Amino acid sequence: DQQVKQNSPSLSVQEGRISILNCDYTNSMFDYFLWYKKYPAEGPTFLISISSIKDKNEDGRFTVFLNKSAKHLSLHIVPSQPGDSAVYFCAAYGNAGKSTFGDGTTLTVKP
Amino acid sequence: NAGVTQTPKFQVLKTGQSMTLQCAQDMNHEYMSWYRQDPGMGLRLIHYSVGAGITDQGEVPNGYNVSRSTTEDFPLRLLSAAPSQTSVYFCASSSTGLPSPLHFGNGTRLTVT
Repeated sequence: DQQVKQNSPSLSVQEGRISILNCDYTNSMFDYFLWYKKYPAEGPTFLISISSIKDKNEDGRFTVFLNKSAKHLSLHIVPSQPGDSAVYFCAAYGNAGKSTFGDGTTLTVKP
Repeated sequence: NAGVTQTPKFQVLKTGQSMTLQCAQDMNHEYMSWYRQDPGMGLRLIHYSVGAGITDQGEVPNGYNVSRSTTEDFPLRLLSAAPSQTSVYFCASSSTGLPSPLHFGNGTRLTVT
């Protein structure tokens, strides 16, 4: 039973437009959520996070929204840039510091 | 500023061979973990450690062994390699203050034939 799901394996957007990446979770005990970005042949790097007591967190071009009642979060990138092309992983942080990851969404930003 | 260093970058094993994937971090992080990533899938937790001398199993521990004798090092041992263990392995570390983002190494690509 996958506790963190990213239902869109890929997303393609035009440079300058908004990218919206979605993530759903099933475990209501998760209390913190993180997004990681991964380029080919590199390890994931931390992008942005949100606590379950908040519904929005913003960092420059990146904003994460959390809807606890729907168990849904989304990452907005505005404006999207070609350098944002990467795989984005949603992760839920819970018991004993363990993070549970979604399968990732490959974002392609076209110039 | 090395962060998390994994060696080797690539490895090919024959079925039944054993080997150790090395992981070292220089950030004085207490928490370290090993993940595997299969094509089209997310990262699945193999083993983790909350400090020297303490290890625990993650989601997919079978066929793997770990130990944590120092804060810096967290090696992953494959006891008897199987083709199902063909994957990319990532080591990660974080401080133990909750919540703390994981710092990942660049991975070891392992092929078992």
